[in-house]
Amino acid sequence: QITLKESGPMLVKPTQTLTLTCTFSGFSLSSSGVGVGWIRQAPGKALEWLADIYWDDDRRYSPSLKSRLSIIKDTPKNQVVLTMTNMGPVDTGTYYCARRGTLGDAFDIWGQGTVVAVSS
Amino acid sequence: SSELTQDPAVSVALGQTVRITCRGDSLRSHYANWFQQKPGQAPLLVIYGKNYRPSGIPDRFSGSDSGNTASLTITGAQAEDEADYYCNSRDSSGNHWVFGGGTKLTVL
Repeated sequence: QITLKESGPMLVKPTQTLTLTCTFSGFSLSSSGVGVGWIRQAPGKALEWLADIYWDDDRRYSPSLKSRLSIIKDTPKNQVVLTMTNMGPVDTGTYYCARRGTLGDAFDIWGQGTVVAVSS
Repeated sequence: SSELTQDPAVSVALGQTVRITCRGDSLRSHYANWFQQKPGQAPLLVIYGKNYRPSGIPDRFSGSDSGNTASLTITGAQAEDEADYYCNSRDSSGNHWVFGGGTKLTVL
């Protein structure tokens, strides 16, 4: 069974750095073509792609958020970590991690999401 | 352009056919993937690539593309298909990804 689960703080203060961890099972991030990405969704709004990291350590970032994002993987621990600096109220929302690379290049399996609120 | 445009809302009578569209320059070069999202749930992949359904997705869901437009068609819509639908594809550079603004489907 393939699962992904996001974890991190539910509340961060403005200007702080957010660190989210995606812990997965049932697949390996050392398998050719496989990647894990992060997607977020503000309340009542559309999905927004944030970043991907691939089996070969290739990293891709949303151009509009690139300066604030960092994504790394810990293959033995089956984890992917996303950091986002200088958090603000507009960054409030649900953050998802998802796997891609098994069904074309689509995100085929998603985590349940973790809610992050930015408030002082 | 890195944008994908979807109609905000679409409705369909129970059992009828509905098409949800996604427009963007990058779709001339890249396929769209389609996701269904119900309230309080994570998105679910329903169509990927040219027109492929993941295991467990009913065959009433299909995908197509023409020029700068990708479409998701539901043939014989069911009550349980009422949800938000998002397209997702690469941007024109091919190096990044973008989601459409989403379409809220109502089944009447």
